[in-house]
Amino acid sequence: GQQLNQSPQSMFIQEGEDVSMNCTSSSIFNTWLWYKQDPGEGPVLLIALYKAGELTSNGRLTAQFGITRKDSFLNISASIPSDVGIYFCAGRTSNTGKLIFGQGTTLQVKP
Amino acid sequence: EPEVTQTPSHQVTQMGQEVILRCVPISNHLYFYWYRQILGQKVEFLVSFYNNEISEKSEIFDDQFSVERPDGSNFTLKIRSTKLEDSAMYFCASRPGTGVFFQHFGDGTRLSIL
Repeated sequence: GQQLNQSPQSMFIQEGEDVSMNCTSSSIFNTWLWYKQDPGEGPVLLIALYKAGELTSNGRLTAQFGITRKDSFLNISASIPSDVGIYFCAGRTSNTGKLIFGQGTTLQVKP
Repeated sequence: EPEVTQTPSHQVTQMGQEVILRCVPISNHLYFYWYRQILGQKVEFLVSFYNNEISEKSEIFDDQFSVERPDGSNFTLKIRSTKLEDSAMYFCASRPGTGVFFQHFGDGTRLSIL
């Protein structure tokens, strides 16, 4: 079945540092989404990408839809303690909207 | 801001019992989903629902699972005879309509099977 490989699995960084994480797949996706999940809560949408090559920013977050449509990355600039959480990429191929999720990147930020 | 609400937040059930998880999607949304997340693992798709019928389901969504939209606001997931491996967080999600593919998630129901 379709799988997304997300890396790194975890990151422990100093406040103020930039962060980069990515997702790759052997399958082509039509939509890439990035979500953040805090403990005990559901995933919250950060950025949605709809076109190959698209680069989109949301505050300190920037994400790109790879031109091959098989990958995406998320960058967080100047990290702050509230960036702590688990970041998931999710891809869509089906017209039903079904999302395939990556395994998640756990981010810890040291003040 | 409108949100997806799920009840209960935590459900403890004996193995073999039936359980119903409830969701109220965002009011003008047309597409509804259930996902599950086993502790420490990724979120997995279970089922999508549109126009009062299942539009896609995963291999996890076997005959023990069913979904229903009994009225204009609720969307439920029923597990007929629970197994230990059904223990997980179950998330409901919804999205507005055609061409808008990002989904809004509820905060989940933690299902614990004893």
